[in-house]
Amino acid sequence: EVQLVQSGAELKRPGESLKISCKGSGYSFTSYWIGWVRQMPGKGLEWMGIIYPADSDTRYSPSFQGQVTISADKSISTAYLQWSSLKASDTAMYYCARHKFPDLVGAFDFWGQGTMVTVSS
Amino acid sequence: DIQMTQSPSSLSASVGDRVTITCQASQDISNYLNWYQQKPGKAPKLLIYDASNLETGVPSRFSGSGSGTDFTFTISSLQPQDIATYYCQQYDNLPPRVTFGGGTKVEIK
Repeated sequence: EVQLVQSGAELKRPGESLKISCKGSGYSFTSYWIGWVRQMPGKGLEWMGIIYPADSDTRYSPSFQGQVTISADKSISTAYLQWSSLKASDTAMYYCARHKFPDLVGAFDFWGQGTMVTVSS
Repeated sequence: DIQMTQSPSSLSASVGDRVTITCQASQDISNYLNWYQQKPGKAPKLLIYDASNLETGVPSRFSGSGSGTDFTFTISSLQPQDIATYYCQQYDNLPPRVTFGGGTKVEIK
């Protein structure tokens, strides 16, 4: 059974750093692109970027380039999303999701449960 | 960058009604278009991939059509459990990138 399990909710102060995780299981983790999606409270889905765990090829949405870092550790089948200095506007639910077909970007067929990040002083 | 314009942003329909949502791309995206359902507090769920393919396990009252720049998502007979927000999503592999539409909130009249 394919599963993506994300790390738990976070409450952080502005300016702090953060790294959240997404652990894949039940499939060949290195063969499928993994994406990150932001959903701010009451708003729509925003694509942040994707990573191909086999070689860590990473692509960012222009809106998020330079704002976050996406990485992966294929040895433990885990993808990461990190911030070096959080802002209140980073408060959102963050989802990881797997692309449906090996080696290709396409539909997201499996999703993590989401990680709620709250940034408040 | 490709822009995806989804309409309407919300709609209200009766149980049993046919519901149609459209998504327009700012340039030709072939059939690289997917549709998702998101219920409150839940992760999105894939319903239709590559414009018209029904994801495994998804009821047949959901369907998708279109190619190029204009796409349609249809619920043939709205059910109470279909209350959700629906999103279109385009993708490309050269270079790899993804864009979501703005979403359509579907409510029962």
